[in-house]
Amino acid sequence: EAGVTQSPTHLIKTRGQQATLRCSPISGHTSVYWYQQALGLGLQFLLWYDEGEERNRGNFPPRFSGRQFPNYSSELNVNALELEDSALYLCASPGGVPISGNTIYFGEGSWLTVV
Amino acid sequence: AQSVTQPDIHITVSEGASLELRCNYSYGATPYLFWYVQSPGQGLQLLLKYFSGDTLVQGIKGFEAEFKRSQSSFNLRKPSVHWSDAAEYFCAVGPRYSSASKIIFGSGTRLSIRP
Repeated sequence: EAGVTQSPTHLIKTRGQQATLRCSPISGHTSVYWYQQALGLGLQFLLWYDEGEERNRGNFPPRFSGRQFPNYSSELNVNALELEDSALYLCASPGGVPISGNTIYFGEGSWLTVV
Repeated sequence: AQSVTQPDIHITVSEGASLELRCNYSYGATPYLFWYVQSPGQGLQLLLKYFSGDTLVQGIKGFEAEFKRSQSSFNLRKPSVHWSDAAEYFCAVGPRYSSASKIIFGSGTRLSIRP
């Protein structure tokens, strides 16, 4: 089965602009999780989408938002970009047999650089 | 409070030597434990997971981990490392059945391999 796919691989934006990142979960799975991995800050949970709805969000300001489409792909939008938003944004999806528990699989990530 | 601690920020071992990466957790319920590996510039790849049963878990790439409930530890081991094992390793703990958005990641251990 195809894994989690993310685009773009790299994105450079200037401060104040908006960035849009995209993710497709593993085929047959409805949940998408977004994480931010900033230098020195580890992996921080951002957002969880399931069945088109936002189910949970981490401790991030409202300018981090997103949506999930009927085909379960997802967009992460970051408005009013700040320099500290520069990070690797990772998308994850459950995979395999659902009864195997909460195992999530990650995409290759999207590098966002804010200048 | 729920947490994951990886006490070693950076470890260097010689190629062919054995490896042990430490992970300690604090979790209120029965944990579901993971190890992920991240090669430079890449997403996270699942190495192994402990769900239940045998406390010694085998993973990909020759890695194994042992769950020790009494010590709240889930250390990762490999008998003989290869240069390609140089990467960042993340331990994670989460609930078995509720949202994967509650998975907590450690801050990571960077592994360097000495030729």
